[in-house]
Amino acid sequence: AQSVTQPDIHITVSEGASLELRCNYSYGATPYLFWYVQSPGQGLQLLLKYFSGDTLVQGIKGFEAEFKRSQSSFNLRKPSVHWSDAAEYFCAVDISGGYNKLIFGAGTRLAVHP
Amino acid sequence: NAGVTQTPKFQVLKTGQSMTLQCAQDMNHNSMYWYRQDPGMGLRLIYYSASEGTTDKGEVPNGYNVSRLNKREFSLRLESAAPSQTSVYFCASRPSSNYGYTFGSGTRLTVV
Repeated sequence: AQSVTQPDIHITVSEGASLELRCNYSYGATPYLFWYVQSPGQGLQLLLKYFSGDTLVQGIKGFEAEFKRSQSSFNLRKPSVHWSDAAEYFCAVDISGGYNKLIFGAGTRLAVHP
Repeated sequence: NAGVTQTPKFQVLKTGQSMTLQCAQDMNHNSMYWYRQDPGMGLRLIYYSASEGTTDKGEVPNGYNVSRLNKREFSLRLESAAPSQTSVYFCASRPSSNYGYTFGSGTRLTVV
């Protein structure tokens, strides 16, 4: 069955440090890939997406993600974290089964220390 | 432009009561979705509607029903609420597979 794995439930970084959030998917072909962010008490906001082409994609708020086919990964990165980045981050895949529904990972909660 | 609007934002139900969660989008999107979010489990798909007039079960449909009233509106009904349905419910819409979802702000439901 198709699945999305985010191995890290919680991550804590210091403000100004670099960040990498991991995401692995299980699917035969290359799916459409997404990262969403959820601030406390809010809905989910799209950070970036990958469909094809350049494997390094840029998103909003200074985030980027790299698709690595050989590793079935789509890791999210940010060079310098700000306190306002504290939130929960979700990786999602669209397996394009005809109905365009997304499968989400369990999420990674990011805490930022001053 | 409101995007995706969910009502109510909060609700407390007693076990066995029924209620309908409302969702409306003003972006002319074809597809709409209902997810529930529980701690440590991410978002799980309850039901979805690929287009007006169609609905299909997702990963966790038991205890729920849906209605795609028109292109704008997609409601989720709990016929007999159970404590296991305590969760945060999100509605989302999407124009096509080349775009991500637009989410509503959620409904926090507690069943006691």
